[in-house]
Amino acid sequence: AQSVAQPEDQVNVAEGNPLTVKCTYSVSGNPYLFWYVQYPNRGLQFLLKYITGDNLVKGSYGFEAEFNKSQTSFHLKKPSALVSDSALYFCAVRVGSTLGRLYFGRGTQLTVWP
Amino acid sequence: DGGITQSPKYLFRKEGQNVTLSCEQNLNHDAMYWYRQDPGQGLRLIYYSQIVNDFQKGDIAEGYSVSREKKESFPLTVTSAQKNPTAFYLCASSSPIRSTYNEQFFGPGTRLTVL
Repeated sequence: AQSVAQPEDQVNVAEGNPLTVKCTYSVSGNPYLFWYVQYPNRGLQFLLKYITGDNLVKGSYGFEAEFNKSQTSFHLKKPSALVSDSALYFCAVRVGSTLGRLYFGRGTQLTVWP
Repeated sequence: DGGITQSPKYLFRKEGQNVTLSCEQNLNHDAMYWYRQDPGQGLRLIYYSQIVNDFQKGDIAEGYSVSREKKESFPLTVTSAQKNPTAFYLCASSSPIRSTYNEQFFGPGTRLTVL
């Protein structure tokens, strides 16, 4: 069975500090990994994805994520957090045999305080 | 302006009523999806459709029904058989068919409340 884990329900960080939102996955097959962000009462916005190639992928709003196959992780990072980054973040995985459906983690609430 | 629209934004239902949530996209995407979001549970897949006139059950299809008569539209009906329908419902689409790479694009969501 495919699954995604976001071990932290909440992450708090001061503005200007680096931030990390963790994601680990368990799949049978090659994973295709995604990060999304959700602001209150809104839909999800795509941030970045890993398909193949360079393990460090860059996305929207200065975010990046590192794919680590041995640790089955895909942590989201940003060198310098902004208060406006405060939102709910979802990691998701897709596997080739599953006809394009995504499996989502439970989400991590990021709060950046001034 | 391309995108996915969902209506209504807020919906109130009395117990025992069926309600239909609308999802329309003008992105020319083949695949469409319905998710349910509850606090602390992430997104759970209700139904998805890879092509017109075809759809598959997701992980929590009981009490829901869908149709896919047009490429642009994928309405979700919440039936009276769904015992706990109060939630935030999200529609998404992606393309091309059977692609494992492309991200899904999400609508703004419909918040359903049972009175």
